[in-house]
Amino acid sequence: DTGVSQDPRHKITKRGQNVTFRCDPISEHNRLYWYRQTLGQGPEFLTYFQNEAQLEKSRLLSDRFSAERPKGSFSTLEIQRTEQGDSAMYLCASSLGYETEAFFGQGTRLTVV
Amino acid sequence: AQSVTQLDSHVSVSEGTPVLLRCNYSSSYSPSLFWYVQHPNKGLQLLLKYTSAATLVKGINGFEAEFKKSETSFHLTKPSAHMSDAAEYFCVVSGGGNNDMRFGAGTRLTVKP
Repeated sequence: DTGVSQDPRHKITKRGQNVTFRCDPISEHNRLYWYRQTLGQGPEFLTYFQNEAQLEKSRLLSDRFSAERPKGSFSTLEIQRTEQGDSAMYLCASSLGYETEAFFGQGTRLTVV
Repeated sequence: AQSVTQLDSHVSVSEGTPVLLRCNYSSSYSPSLFWYVQHPNKGLQLLLKYTSAATLVKGINGFEAEFKKSETSFHLTKPSAHMSDAAEYFCVVSGGGNNDMRFGAGTRLTVKP
């Protein structure tokens, strides 16, 4: 078990470009979460999956954001037409259920220039 | 819907003195509650968790927290602060059903020599 893995660790993109991040959760963890964290703030909930089903999506998330978790394994988060306000650390976490500890990846730091 | 409120954005203590970080929660279900710590440029690490067992929960590094349903609180304490405790602390609520995991805004703990 190598923990939650996120790729890439860093991404610099030009405004208006699309970006995709990947998260590989701990195997057999059925819950997978995506969060966004900006400097000095707590992780902000974006969306989460129970197996392959996307059960909730934050109302703060614009239509430019989409996430998938095919076959309940890895997950991708795509941001279309990036804006400078999208610059943040994107965190992925996985857990066995709501009562159990969520394990976090190291995050993907996105910089939109 | 569920949420947490961390009552102090910044707490400063002297080394060797007690630490109290306050958290109030709101949840429609019997919640699971967690405290996570984030050191500068490090990932999120679980300190302790409450999942409807004993109301006084002991965690790593001498931290503990008490679940008080009547007060909807889950305050984090430590008898004697150490310099290495300086970090950002997050209170987290996770509910049943389709509820996701929500973070508080965080409390920055500073430990003075």
